[in-house]
Amino acid sequence: KAGVTQTPRYLIKTRGQQVTLSCSPISGHRSVSWYQQTPGQGLQFLFEYFSETQRNKGNFPGRFSGRQFSNSRSEMNVSTLELGDSALYLCASSPGTGIDTQYFGPGTRLTVL
Amino acid sequence: QQQVKQSPQSLIVQKGGISIINCAYENTAFDYFPWYQQFPGKGPALLIAIRPDVSEKKEGRFTISFNKSAKQFSLHIMDSQPGDSATYFCAASKKTDKLIFGTGTRLQVFP
Repeated sequence: KAGVTQTPRYLIKTRGQQVTLSCSPISGHRSVSWYQQTPGQGLQFLFEYFSETQRNKGNFPGRFSGRQFSNSRSEMNVSTLELGDSALYLCASSPGTGIDTQYFGPGTRLTVL
Repeated sequence: QQQVKQSPQSLIVQKGGISIINCAYENTAFDYFPWYQQFPGKGPALLIAIRPDVSEKKEGRFTISFNKSAKQFSLHIMDSQPGDSATYFCAASKKTDKLIFGTGTRLQVFP
C-alpha cells in the first residue's frame, strides 16, 4: 500500500498570505489528523477529520481550518499567515474506528517570511 | 492532565550500549502508548506501541516497559547502533482521540 502523501513538500509564503496544504491518506483509511511541529513547541495536534466531519480539534486559532473530502483526502488552510506559523505540518492517517495506529506523511515545510 | 512528560531531552550512547527514554503521563484514561522515531526531513514513524493491559512489549531490539500504577512507560533500545540516531517521541491517547506527544529525545549513537 502506498503511504501517506503530502503536497507540496516545501512552501514559502509572506506574512498575511494564505496557504492550503494537501494530504492523501493510506487507501482505506478514513481518519486524517493534522499536526504542527516546531522546535519550540514540539508536535501539536491541530484537528482530525473522520468521514468528512471534524471529530477532534486542538487549541489553535480560527485561522487554521481544514476539511475532508468524500475520498478521505484532506486539506488544511491557514489564513493571514504569521511568522510564527513557520513549521513542519504533518498529516497522519488511520482507519479511524478505534485505537488505531497513526501513520504519518513526510510533512510540508512552511516558511513564512 | 493532558501532558506527556519525556526525558531526557538528549542522549548520547556508545554503539552496543542500551538507550533508555522515559515518559510519564497524568491522564488515567489514556489507553494507547506508541513510540515514534523521526529522522531529519521525515515524518515520525511508528516504532512500537503498548496497551495498558501488558507491562512489557518487545520487538527486536526495542522494548517498551509500562508501569500503570506509576503512570510511566519507557523505551529501551538494546545494542544501540549508529543507524538508531534519531529523535524519539513517546505519545499517549484514548480511543479515537488525538495523540498527545512528549517533547522528544534526540538520540546520538557513536561508533
